[in-house]
Amino acid sequence: NAGVTQTPKFRVLKTGQSMTLLCAQDMNHEYMYWYRQDPGMGLRLIHYSVGEGTTAKGEVPDGYNVSRLKKQNFLLGLESAAPSQTSVYFCASSFQGGSTEAFFGQGTRLTVV
Amino acid sequence: RKEVEQDPGPFNVPEGATVAFNCTYSNSASQSFFWYRQDCRKEPKLLMSVYSSGNEDGRFTAQLNRASQYISLLIRDSKLSDSATYLCVVNLINTDKLIFGTGTRLQVFP
Repeated sequence: NAGVTQTPKFRVLKTGQSMTLLCAQDMNHEYMYWYRQDPGMGLRLIHYSVGEGTTAKGEVPDGYNVSRLKKQNFLLGLESAAPSQTSVYFCASSFQGGSTEAFFGQGTRLTVV
Repeated sequence: RKEVEQDPGPFNVPEGATVAFNCTYSNSASQSFFWYRQDCRKEPKLLMSVYSSGNEDGRFTAQLNRASQYISLLIRDSKLSDSATYLCVVNLINTDKLIFGTGTRLQVFP
């Protein structure tokens, strides 16, 4: 029962470098989300997708891009990392949007120096 | 004003105690409500949904007051394993997004 899997789990980037975080789910969920969690801020929505081939902006989308080429995968890209993007990133998926349970991945701890 | 507000705590309680958390939300168009639990350095996991009539799951009771726009979580007979951060989560009607509170930290001591 893999559920939602994120890779990598940890990463250190230098300012200006790029990277892609991968989220994979095996529950055949339509909805997928990327959040960031910072101390005192709670989870904030970066981007989300309501189905294969769709993406939408969340609360804090600047500096990030996403793609959902396959239903089971949701990729989060940082084109030019900044120290302000140091955070814990969580991917989540759900069957029927915000009214149903969201299942989260284990998180990715990203540090930008 | 934050859309979902919680007292960050920490709430330090002895084993066996009863503890209650409240959460307020600002948007009256909110339609679905949840409590999630997050252990230190782990991902959030659903604890329970919150229904209009109130609902109970073992030692946990959730209540919703739409008129006052708040949600509560009551934990009876606290266990050491209940130590975690409890996240209040709200979904706005006709949206696909969940809005998270910053969480309330609970520490149960022997």
